[in-house]
Amino acid sequence: DAKTTQPNSMESNEEEPVHLPCNHSTISGTDYIHWYRQLPSQGPEYVIHGLTSNVNNRMASLAIAEDRKSSTLILHRATLRDAAVYYCILRRYQGGSEKLVFGKGTKLTVNP
Amino acid sequence: EPEVTQTPSHQVTQMGQEVILRCVPISNHLYFYWYRQILGQKVEFLVSFYNNEISEKSEIFDDQFSVERPDGSNFTLKIRSTKLEDSAMYFCASSERTGGPGDTQYFGPGTRLTVL
Repeated sequence: DAKTTQPNSMESNEEEPVHLPCNHSTISGTDYIHWYRQLPSQGPEYVIHGLTSNVNNRMASLAIAEDRKSSTLILHRATLRDAAVYYCILRRYQGGSEKLVFGKGTKLTVNP
Repeated sequence: EPEVTQTPSHQVTQMGQEVILRCVPISNHLYFYWYRQILGQKVEFLVSFYNNEISEKSEIFDDQFSVERPDGSNFTLKIRSTKLEDSAMYFCASSERTGGPGDTQYFGPGTRLTVL
């Protein structure tokens, strides 16, 4: 699996936007970019994913660089509930049921 | 909103005992997974399951582990003879469509296994 690099931790203030970066310089053309998060003492939770174009959903936006070597997860207005570890994961078709390979992620702290 | 459920939430067992962790995936999902997370470490893939057979398994998933879908709703992970190092959170996940790279996996809340 192609490797991703994320900062170990980030801080934000409540109700401010948060931009979580992810570098994936060895991404291949068929790799999807997924973001999951894990709130304290909970299972991972899907946030958003994309292939080439920017994506929006009710939780977040995903901005993908034109060369696809990096992406940014955007939380438009952080809440205390958004404090979690955020994982940027690349997935490609490998002929089976494609597992998620988790790294260490970015621990987001949201200050009131 | 449909969700993946897991039971029990916490299981304490003695080393060498067998444990069965249970999961009820989302009803129309076709692909099922087990992951584990040792305290303070990364979430690790154990096994994926489709059409009543294992699709892929990791090195962690040795002969002590087995999975089963005994009926149309449950998906179980059995550890035959638990070791201290099996202590971890075990997460079940399911996905709806192809299990492919554009698919979403939905995770349960986890079972905390403590081996004494």
